[in-house]
Amino acid sequence: AQSVTQLGSHVSVSEGALVLLRCNYSSSVPPYLFWYVQYPNQGLQLLLKYTSAATLVKGINGFEAEFKKSETSFHLTKPSAHMSDAAEYFCAVRKNNNNDMRFGAGTRLTVKP
Amino acid sequence: ETGVTQSPTHLIKTRGQQVTLRCSSQSGHNTVSWYQQALGQGPQFIFQYYREEENGRGNFPPRFSGLQFPNYSSELNVNALELDDSALYLCASLDRGREETQYFGPGTRLLVL
Repeated sequence: AQSVTQLGSHVSVSEGALVLLRCNYSSSVPPYLFWYVQYPNQGLQLLLKYTSAATLVKGINGFEAEFKKSETSFHLTKPSAHMSDAAEYFCAVRKNNNNDMRFGAGTRLTVKP
Repeated sequence: ETGVTQSPTHLIKTRGQQVTLRCSSQSGHNTVSWYQQALGQGPQFIFQYYREEENGRGNFPPRFSGLQFPNYSSELNVNALELDDSALYLCASLDRGREETQYFGPGTRLLVL
């Protein structure tokens, strides 16, 4: 069964610094991969998705992620952190023909002034 | 905003009671999934409804049940509430067959005392 592992439950960066949130997946077939962001007391908002097209995916708010099959990774990056990026980030995987989306445990991003 | 709405926003119940949560999917979306998000964890898939029928289920007991109506809105029912059912319940809708992205509502926060 597919699953995702997010390395680091908490990540803290300074404003303007690089953001790197790690996600590794396990799947027996090429999956769909997603990054969602959750602000306090809100639902999940889609940041970006990989659907077997380009391996480098650009999303909203300056975020991007690169699908690396050899490393089974889909890490999320942003060149320069902004205070408004502070939130919980979830990586998720879903097979093409499967209705079951599996989420990682989440990474809480803190941005220091 | 995604166009997915949920009601109520907050709910307090006591152990053993029953609860019904409601979700209106985004316009044109024919598939609804329900997730349970316990505090500090990622969302866990409960089940999915497509064209008024259950179309996949996660590892949840039968006291979690659902319905989907002809207008594609959905209900999640939980019987015999337990303390561990306290969580944020998220609904997500999808236009199955046209795209792979689920759009989430803001959630209903359930507290079981």
